[in-house]
Amino acid sequence: EVQLVESGGGVVQPGGSLRLSCAASGFSFSSYWMHWVRQAPGKGLVWVSRIDYDGSSTIYADSVKGRFTISRDNAKNTLYLQMNSLRADDTAVYYCARNRDGRYDQWGQGTLVTVSS
Amino acid sequence: DIQMTQSPSSLSASIGDRVTITCRASQTIHTYLHWYQQKPGKAPKLLISVASNLQSDVPSRFSGSGSGTDFTLTISSLQPEDFATYYCQQSNSDPHTFGQGTKLEIK
Repeated sequence: EVQLVESGGGVVQPGGSLRLSCAASGFSFSSYWMHWVRQAPGKGLVWVSRIDYDGSSTIYADSVKGRFTISRDNAKNTLYLQMNSLRADDTAVYYCARNRDGRYDQWGQGTLVTVSS
Repeated sequence: DIQMTQSPSSLSASIGDRVTITCRASQTIHTYLHWYQQKPGKAPKLLISVASNLQSDVPSRFSGSGSGTDFTLTISSLQPEDFATYYCQQSNSDPHTFGQGTKLEIK
């Protein structure tokens, strides 16, 4: 069974940092580009970042560029999102998602990040 | 970035109704358009890929059509489990962008 399980969310003060993890199982993790998508409370889905098969290519939404870093460890079947200089508008549920030919065919359950003093 | 605009933003309908949701792209995306269903507190679920390809675990009452800039998601006969929020997403170019969502509610 394909599974993506996020962890690492929590409450952090503005300016703080968090690292999210997404543990993958049930498929060949290194064969897929992986993405992070977030959803602020009561709002829609917003793409955050993408990483290719081996981590050699990454891209970011303008809103997080320079503050967030996506990475992966294919030996551990794990995707990461390092989030620095967090702001209140980064408050959201963060989903990792497997991408196949442009579509997100598998999603994690999400992890909530709350940025508040 | 390509802007995706869904209409309507919300919709009230009854069991058995036929419902159509529209998604418009700010420039051509060919058929690189995908539809998702999201229920409260849950992750999105892929329903339709590349405009009209129904996923294997999705009921046949769902269908998608369109190409270029204009796309539709149709539910032929609403069932109780279909009340949810629906999103379109383009993958023609980076960054991938989503529509703002259409919340389908029970009338």
